[in-house]
Amino acid sequence: GAGVSQTPSNKVTEKGKYVELRCDPISGHTALYWYRQSLGQGPEFLIYFQGTGAADDSGLPNDRFFAVRPEGSVSTLKIQRTERGDSAVYLCASSLGVGLSGANVLTFGAGSRLTVL
Amino acid sequence: AQSVSQHNHHVILSEAASLELGCNYSYGGTVNLFWYVQYPGQHLQLLLKYFSGDPLVKGIKGFEAEFIKSKFSFNLRKPSVQWSDTAEYFCAVNAPGSARQLTFGSGTQLTVLP
Repeated sequence: GAGVSQTPSNKVTEKGKYVELRCDPISGHTALYWYRQSLGQGPEFLIYFQGTGAADDSGLPNDRFFAVRPEGSVSTLKIQRTERGDSAVYLCASSLGVGLSGANVLTFGAGSRLTVL
Repeated sequence: AQSVSQHNHHVILSEAASLELGCNYSYGGTVNLFWYVQYPGQHLQLLLKYFSGDPLVKGIKGFEAEFIKSKFSFNLRKPSVQWSDTAEYFCAVNAPGSARQLTFGSGTQLTVLP
């Protein structure tokens, strides 16, 4: 597509529920990133995919968070047993290739705003 | 710990005023540096980037930034702001050894009064 698409744009859930957030990257972009942005903060890195595999998941806060990208395109971020502290905007970004060279700058989606009551 | 500092949380200017937003980082060695902008209701967009070469980088919409290695700084400037520049501005750094990660500052909200 023309840009990075994220759904849903807004999600309100109750504490303890399971949530899935979807990201559709720019067509042809092999690298996909998830970031989390809490109120008043800059985006924080969660996980990065190169193709189908998670190349770096060091930013995932705990084992309630998991992400997949089974066909190397669309990715889903999954959050189990949600907590109020998980409330944030979850941003997805994609880039053409590997590493942050001049050709591989990240393009961000509009984000999914998650509110846990 | 690696970090990026944006000391100004909220800046208010009148149109035609000059702008400088501070960004300092705490990494050693080679870094890649970025400024992203988020206009109200829109997604993060790249404003400009520095990888190597001339430390004075020019971006879109008349913005520029200067990389000063000795000061670990990458300040954003614009000679004359417009009302449409009202947005949140984020500085970001590519951490050495983490070629696929960006570390962001906490952002500066710029409000330009007409």
